[in-house]
Amino acid sequence: DAGITQSPRHKVTETGTPVTLRCHQTENHRYMYWYRQDPGHGLRLIHYSYGVKDTDKGEVSDGYSVSRSKTEDFLLTLESATSSQTSVYFCAISERTGTGLAYEQYFGPGTRLTVT
Amino acid sequence: GENVEQHPSTLSVQEGDSAVIKCTYSDSASNYFPWYKQELGKGPQLIIDIRSNVGEKKDQRIAVTLNKTAKHFSLHITETQPEDSAVYFCAASFSGGYQKVTFGIGTKLQVIP
Repeated sequence: DAGITQSPRHKVTETGTPVTLRCHQTENHRYMYWYRQDPGHGLRLIHYSYGVKDTDKGEVSDGYSVSRSKTEDFLLTLESATSSQTSVYFCAISERTGTGLAYEQYFGPGTRLTVT
Repeated sequence: GENVEQHPSTLSVQEGDSAVIKCTYSDSASNYFPWYKQELGKGPQLIIDIRSNVGEKKDQRIAVTLNKTAKHFSLHITETQPEDSAVYFCAASFSGGYQKVTFGIGTKLQVIP
């Protein structure tokens, strides 16, 4: 399972409140990602990180920020949660394949966030 | 950017029959095509992948095919079992250290015992 954990696994919050989701990995992977999953949209990239303090935006980054102060932790923050951010959030890492020729992505168990 | 279309969105098969899920992609630079299986309440799990220098790859009951010219790739599951019931996602990317992976919308497969 690539040693990925996410916390919390479930959260209900009110519109306008800040929310932080945590992704933790134990295998020193350089690349980490945050996706959201919504019916009819599959998985969409929010932000990604290519090293400590190195992050960049994905296709649906508005309303989200991220931080990575340690290799093992990648935090996703909703500064002021809105109902449109109700979703399931997945963290992922990239791991080099056994041949060393490419990378594969592996996902954490997800966080279900409901904004009321 | 890359666009991945996946169909069908739902698929029901009898146990023991085969299931086929098809995807198309738009960016000819994409060279890595993974398939993920997602069971209820869990994260997507990588089940098989194929790279653009390969036309077909098999792993027990699952196989993937890739037609680079037509920008099509497919997942084939033979001798389906109830435990194959899940949502399957195709994806396309350029395989580098940072993978900008574009996913299809998913296919919900139901295997009827």
